[in-house]
Amino acid sequence: DAGITQSPRHKVTETGTPVTLRCHQTENHRYMYWYRQDPGHGLRLIHYSYGVKDTDKGEVSDGYSVSRSKTEDFLLTLESATSSQTSVYFCAISAPTGGLAFFGQGTRLTVV
Amino acid sequence: AQKITQTQPGMFVQEKEAVTLDCTYDTSDPSYGLFWYKQPSSGEMIFLIYQGSYDQQNATEGRYSLNFQKARKSANLVISASQLGDSAMYFCAMRANAGGTSYGKLTFGQGTILTVHP
Repeated sequence: DAGITQSPRHKVTETGTPVTLRCHQTENHRYMYWYRQDPGHGLRLIHYSYGVKDTDKGEVSDGYSVSRSKTEDFLLTLESATSSQTSVYFCAISAPTGGLAFFGQGTRLTVV
Repeated sequence: AQKITQTQPGMFVQEKEAVTLDCTYDTSDPSYGLFWYKQPSSGEMIFLIYQGSYDQQNATEGRYSLNFQKARKSANLVISASQLGDSAMYFCAMRANAGGTSYGKLTFGQGTILTVHP
């Protein structure tokens, strides 16, 4: 299995609180991604990183921020969680070319 | 901008028959890769197959093959000899490869639910 882990795997939080999800890789891949998956919407890209300190927005970036201070870690922060951010969050890693693109196990986040 | 379209929300196939899942894409990047993933009911994302935009041959991985038609911008997944365990959601995805302006962006289609009947 690819060396990619997400933490926590499950979290329940209250509206208005900050939440940080962590993605850690041991593969030294350049690209890292955060997605959310909701019924009827497939996988939607929140933010991605193409190198240390290099990030860009995806299609659903409002309300989310990211940081990548080292190759192996990509953090997703919900500054002030809302119920609309209840979702399953996936992290993925990829090399710049070729078929290496793998996912973490997912984090189920519930905002009450 | 990248766009992936999967037009089949659901597909049904009889066990042991072949099935094709459709995927079309649009991109302005000169070099890109196309992926297919399987998501069973347990929720994990399983990588199935990859095709590079400059690869001359269609990719194959066991019972999976990717029918890549670059001029038509399509990357259909063919599953031969379907098994009950193939019942799952299938996602097509595209990544801008190094050298383009999208810096490795990986975009997904909406997915197709495949049901295999005994």
